[in-house]
Amino acid sequence: QSALTQPASVSGSPGQSITISCTGTSSDVGGYNYVSWYQQHPGKAPKLMIYEVSNRPSGVSNRFSGSKSGNTASLTISGLQAEDEADYYCSSYTSSSTLHYVFGTGTKVTVL
Amino acid sequence: EVQLVQSGAEVKKPGATVKISCKVSGYTFTDYYMHWVQQAPGKGLEWMGLVDPEDGETIYAEKFQGRVTITADTSTDTAYMELSSLRSEDTAVYYCATVGILGGRSFDYWGQGTLVTVSS
Repeated sequence: QSALTQPASVSGSPGQSITISCTGTSSDVGGYNYVSWYQQHPGKAPKLMIYEVSNRPSGVSNRFSGSKSGNTASLTISGLQAEDEADYYCSSYTSSSTLHYVFGTGTKVTVL
Repeated sequence: EVQLVQSGAEVKKPGATVKISCKVSGYTFTDYYMHWVQQAPGKGLEWMGLVDPEDGETIYAEKFQGRVTITADTSTDTAYMELSSLRSEDTAVYYCATVGILGGRSFDYWGQGTLVTVSS
């Protein structure tokens, strides 16, 4: 079981929108609506931003949105702000026999 | 308020065993599985395994099978992760995390992380 594939880096100017992709297989992303996204600032624990593909926990800005098509999930950050600069990871439940959850490779978001 | 508080940093020699704790508060410990996640320096997140505090049942990722033991003490609302036969590649921050409190199968609450350094 390999990690889900994310772009290594994405950048944008303040106010712009960016999208991070997360590509898996029919055994994980494509097979379940259990895709979630996490934001991680340096030296901090990950923070849940999106769960079940497109749901936002209370307190998470509505500038963050999620979607899925086939084996690829996406996280969109609109109205990019300086505090959005962080690492972002996707995750999915998986039917793999060797593990129950798989994470993405991670994407560094830079606000120019 | 849900809180997961982990034990402090550890320095271990190769071949040793480390045991990290994760004390929870703010929810009923036995209602949700506790998971552990590894993050090596500068690397991504990797799922290690889980424990059902209700009955102690565990599931481990194949990569860590045989070296990791995850347990739960319901008398103290504390989960533990023990990793044995440590090697340099085990140098990492280890997180405990709950799944399902906010709904779905996402890691919704995380501990602050425990750095384990393996060095001779």
